[in-house]
Amino acid sequence: SYELTQPPSVSVSPGQTASITCYGEKLGDKYASWYQQKPGQSPVLVIYQDDRRPSGIPERFSGSNSGNTATLTISGTQAMDEADYYCQAWDTNTPYVFGTGTKVTVL
Amino acid sequence: QITLKESGPTLVKPTRTLTLTCTFSGFSLSTNGVGVGWIRQPPGKALEWLALIYGDDDKRYSPFLKTRLTITKDTSKNQVVLTMTTMDPVDTGTYYCAHTHITAAAGTYYYYGMDVWGQGTTVTVSS
Repeated sequence: SYELTQPPSVSVSPGQTASITCYGEKLGDKYASWYQQKPGQSPVLVIYQDDRRPSGIPERFSGSNSGNTATLTISGTQAMDEADYYCQAWDTNTPYVFGTGTKVTVL
Repeated sequence: QITLKESGPTLVKPTRTLTLTCTFSGFSLSTNGVGVGWIRQPPGKALEWLALIYGDDDKRYSPFLKTRLTITKDTSKNQVVLTMTTMDPVDTGTYYCAHTHITAAAGTYYYYGMDVWGQGTTVTVSS
């Protein structure tokens, strides 16, 4: 079955750029989505179709997907961005699997 | 405005069957390409997708749990029901339902992510 691997943690200073990777075999051939989850809250979609932002998601969130790796980038990271982030892969044969999750700490 | 809310028992005994209901509003689950999925999260662990049902009654299941899961919809009640058999303490966690949709054009499918989630319901499996 399909698996997505993320680094357990990423640390970033306020105002700097955080990059979170998601590795899966031929992930670039699938759609990648990203979800933000703060403690005690439901996940929130921040990126879909590799690089598209839902309405209401700040422009500092961006995504890319190529080869075996999808990347979520948070530019000008703010304290409110501290959360767990999960990637998700989708195609018609690999529906909905989530990554292992990455805890982003804003130091 | 799309909303979803999960409901069901908070405590289930081992070996029993869990039945969860997702009641939604703001969309119709009789529309092709619209779907409702179930996702769970053990305490302190990652999200795990369980099952999803589309408006055309297409159903998808996690290969790891396929033998234990059944997902159905009641369009007239705006509800999606998930049953999970043979519950075990490792099934303890928060269970979410979420809205999703896909579109198709010229043979290409477009997935829009799980864009609205319910608040989640906590299930504990214990005797």
